Amino acid sequence: ETGVTQTPRHLVMGMTNKKSLKCEQHLGHNAMYWYKQSAKKPLELMFVYNFKEQTENNSVPSRFSPECPNSSHLFLHLHTLQPEDSALYLCASSQEQGWRGGYTFGSGTRLTVV
Amino acid sequence: GESVGLHLPTLSVQEGDNSIINCAYSNSASDYFIWYKQESGKGPQFIIDIRSNMDKRQGQRVTVLLNKTVKHLSLQIAATQPGDSAVYFCAETSYGNKLVFGAGTILRVKS
Repeated sequence: ETGVTQTPRHLVMGMTNKKSLKCEQHLGHNAMYWYKQSAKKPLELMFVYNFKEQTENNSVPSRFSPECPNSSHLFLHLHTLQPEDSALYLCASSQEQGWRGGYTFGSGTRLTVV
Repeated sequence: GESVGLHLPTLSVQEGDNSIINCAYSNSASDYFIWYKQESGKGPQFIIDIRSNMDKRQGQRVTVLLNKTVKHLSLQIAATQPGDSAVYFCAETSYGNKLVFGAGTILRVKS
């Protein structure tokens, strides 16, 4: 366990479904991140939250909606997804945005859109 | 724009041999670099980092080399073991900015 917990580990959803991914960390970190990892591509940063405030939205389609109720929890709400959205979604945290200690990643949620 | 790329997508080595994984970066302002290891079914795990005021840093069986002149980073793994099989990513950043990740290199260790 890295200290960053993601649930569920696997998710299969239809294109008309609504689901949410959850990320939780108890490392005392103040920055949290959502990444998308597709096969043979670099990690794609989606959203950044620093001290609960969204500081970055990397041109992510509105069918992905993040929520950060506090520094320990991060959600990614999903609705009307497309098959090309199937990927591994990784959550990460760091002391704060721009911190030099690197990020701690969760194990990810493997999402399949059918 | 900024980019971090890897020369070799797949590297196969014999158990016990040394492995060298390479990474090129293009942002000359980058001053902090990290290597991550991602095993199957897991998220990336921090291995080792290096700041731009250093050209070499050693960990347990791993060494990172930084050549700022040619903007090149490498990860050396000594006495490679089957448990080292994974995807390895380099990442770079400059002060206050987000990490930029490379595409990754698959390391396969043959027994």
